[in-house]
Amino acid sequence: AQRVTQPEKLLSVFKGAPVELKCNYSYSGSPELFWYVQYSRQRLQLLLRHISRESIKGFTADLNKGETSFHLKKPFAQEEDSAMYYCALSLLYFYGGSQGNLIFGKGTKLSVKP
Amino acid sequence: NAGVTQTPKFQVLKTGQSMTLQCAQDMNHEYMSWYRQDPGMGLRLIHYSVGAGITDQGEVPNGYNVSRSTTEDFPLRLLSAAPSQTSVYFCASSYSRTLNYGYTFGSGTRLTVV
Repeated sequence: AQRVTQPEKLLSVFKGAPVELKCNYSYSGSPELFWYVQYSRQRLQLLLRHISRESIKGFTADLNKGETSFHLKKPFAQEEDSAMYYCALSLLYFYGGSQGNLIFGKGTKLSVKP
Repeated sequence: NAGVTQTPKFQVLKTGQSMTLQCAQDMNHEYMSWYRQDPGMGLRLIHYSVGAGITDQGEVPNGYNVSRSTTEDFPLRLLSAAPSQTSVYFCASSYSRTLNYGYTFGSGTRLTVV
């Protein structure tokens, strides 16, 4: 079964420290992976897509198919990074196109202390 | 361009009551989904739609109905509310058939069933 695992419920770091939020997925097909961020009581916002290989707000994430991981990293955490982070998996059919939904992990709450 | 609009933002229901959570998007997105967000559980898919007239069940469909008569609207109906349905509900939509751009989320409906 397809699954997204975020092993840490809470990650607490000090401002300026490096951050790594872990995400592992289970899917035998071709995955599309995303990171979403949710600031306190706000809607979820797309942070990163693995397909675009971009850096947003200093965050990067690399898809490692061998380890089935898509960890989110930032070299120097800022207090404004404190939020819930969700890793999500999109399932693609073998011929292209999507099943039309995202599977989410349970989320990691990042707390950046001053 | 309003994006994804959910109404109401807050609702209190009594056990056994029914109601409809509204979701509308003005981006001509094909794919739309409903998720519920519960502490420690992340986001779980309730129902989704890959186009007008086409809907399918997600992970936790029991107690909910959906329909998609137009591209823009995707209402979620609670048939007979139960305390277990107390949650935050998010509607989301996607432009790309392959979900390359992920989902755009609404601001959520916070539902309490007493």
